[in-house]
Amino acid sequence: EVQLVESGGGLVQPGGSLRISCAASGFTFSFYWMNWVRQAPKKGLEWVANIKQDGSEKYYVDSVKGRFTISRDNAKNSLYLQMNSLRVDDTAVYYCARLGSGSWNFDNWGQGTLVTVSS
Amino acid sequence: SYELTQPPSVSVSPGQTASITCSGDKLGDKYACWYQQKPGQSPVLVIYEDNKRPSGIPERFSGSNSGNTATLTISGTQAVDEADYYCQAWDSSTAVFGGGTKVTVL
Repeated sequence: EVQLVESGGGLVQPGGSLRISCAASGFTFSFYWMNWVRQAPKKGLEWVANIKQDGSEKYYVDSVKGRFTISRDNAKNSLYLQMNSLRVDDTAVYYCARLGSGSWNFDNWGQGTLVTVSS
Repeated sequence: SYELTQPPSVSVSPGQTASITCSGDKLGDKYACWYQQKPGQSPVLVIYEDNKRPSGIPERFSGSNSGNTATLTISGTQAVDEADYYCQAWDSSTAVFGGGTKVTVL
């Protein structure tokens, strides 16, 4: 069974930093593109970033470029998102999502971790 | 930047058909997919590559995509289908979601 378990969320002040993680199991992690998708309170879904199987390609939504960095450790079956210069509008539940093999859809999602940016 | 537009809400009676549209420039030239999200839960893929259903998704869910509009159709809508639905497509290596449609089963 595919499992994606996010962790590391919490309360951080504006301008601060936080790293969230996603532990993957039940599939060969190194075979898949991985993504972060966020959802602000009472709002819709917003794709944040993704990373190729070997980490050689990374893409970001414009609003986080230069502030967030996605990375992965295939030996640890883990995905990360380093978030710097956090803003109030970064407050959201952050989901880890797997991109389906040979397709361009998010076929498995974690339960999410809440990041709150507030003074 | 690329945008996908959905109606904020759709109401449907039990047993009837609900249609949710998703509009974007030349969306028919891309693959569209659809996610269902119930309160307090993570999204679930219900349609991918315009009209394909993942295993475990009921046959009452179907999709189409042509021109500038993709459509998710729920036939014989049931109370358990009440949820938010999001369309999604890719543009220039970035994923784009529609704003979401709340489906209410009255």
